[in-house]
Amino acid sequence: SQQGEEDPQALSIQEGENATMNCSYKTSINNLQWYRQNSGRGLVHLILIRSNEREKHSGRLRVTLDTSKKSSSLLITASRAADTASYFCATADNTDKLIFGTGTRLQVFP
Amino acid sequence: DAGVIQSPRHEVTEMGQEVTLRCKPISGHDYLFWYRQTMMRGLELLIYFNNNVPIDDSGMPEDRFSAKMPNASFSTLKIQPSEPRDSAVYFCASSPQRGSYNEQFFGPGTRLTVL
Repeated sequence: SQQGEEDPQALSIQEGENATMNCSYKTSINNLQWYRQNSGRGLVHLILIRSNEREKHSGRLRVTLDTSKKSSSLLITASRAADTASYFCATADNTDKLIFGTGTRLQVFP
Repeated sequence: DAGVIQSPRHEVTEMGQEVTLRCKPISGHDYLFWYRQTMMRGLELLIYFNNNVPIDDSGMPEDRFSAKMPNASFSTLKIQPSEPRDSAVYFCASSPQRGSYNEQFFGPGTRLTVL
């Protein structure tokens, strides 16, 4: 079963623009992770934010977490054509399992 | 480091045949996960192992599916007999420590088509 729901399902932007993707989840979490999947490839870990953190940065990535609203957002600044991929949030409770969301397909046009 | 290795990358088989998917996790990783990805159901966890021991197989869809991890460097996912609805991309992932407290490293996947 899927815990996270991403919004929007698909996003198309021009190179240089910012891309924002949102993730909502249902139950209490220990941490939330974001992954990228290029077409025909496996998932690649981008960033992890713990439940006691509100914001985290990594390069052009900025992730926020609002546990009161059970939501997270991923911002990619100054997007590039190479950022074209699907992006998934994954939630972790106190077990070893990650529950992945439905994903956002991002298309960045040069 | 070669990353997580999966074989075969593509498998086409006929309904009723046995299918075996293979995975070599990253050396030193204690956790191994098998996922299935379809358009309809997204990415689903099938089963995971800790130190070669199956911990949770609640995601395995039917008795037709089985998974083993005979040693720390090898795992298999078997489907017998296969059905067209098993067509999907199957991913193996490994993690060095608690699977949900750390990032998971995914293999390239096996695209399975059952005719």
